[in-house]
Amino acid sequence: GAGVSQSPSNKVTEKGKDVELRCDPISGHTALYWYRQRLGQGLEFLIYFQGNSAPDKSGLPSDRFSAERTGESVSTLTIQRTQQEDSAVYLCASSFGRSSDTQYFGPGTRLTVL
Amino acid sequence: DAKTTQPNSMESNEEEPVHLPCNHSTISGTDYIHWYRQLPSQGPEYVIHGLTSNVNNRMASLAIAEDRKSSTLILHRATLRDAAVYYCILNTGANSKLTFGKGITLSVRP
Repeated sequence: GAGVSQSPSNKVTEKGKDVELRCDPISGHTALYWYRQRLGQGLEFLIYFQGNSAPDKSGLPSDRFSAERTGESVSTLTIQRTQQEDSAVYLCASSFGRSSDTQYFGPGTRLTVL
Repeated sequence: DAKTTQPNSMESNEEEPVHLPCNHSTISGTDYIHWYRQLPSQGPEYVIHGLTSNVNNRMASLAIAEDRKSSTLILHRATLRDAAVYYCILNTGANSKLTFGKGITLSVRP
């Protein structure tokens, strides 16, 4: 079946602009995660959605970052007033949400802020 | 969050076994040990996971110490395609978010 998909694959924007990144999880997966990976670094957790529960936003670096999820489907990560330090690969993953479950990652969106 | 410690890098020869160590001395009883790897310019992919017993799958084996404070990922015959960053992660289950460290960079020599 289809894996996790993300769009766009690449996004170049100017400092101060808003961007929206999209994630389509695997059908049936109740949990959805957003991570950020800066060049040469490991992954940083940003936000987690599980079913109808309140999202865990503990990893969002500032109030310029927000994310929404419609039911158990698509999620969008929005970055307002982008800064150069926001340049990174943004990765989305989905799973059934238990600690024994595998997280399946999308290919990521490479964001470059000029 | 329970953390893991891995060497920064390791080199291996093609077709030879590779043992990638991981220490997790603060692991709690319900934490699952997960391994993911990330090939260049790709998102992470699942390799294997376990709780207490050793595990085998088509990609690798996971050997877990009896006290669970360390584990070893075993690639039985390294190929050039196995060159990647390997992450050892504890999934605490509270919300299942994964805390990635820097991982271990595996290089495979032809």
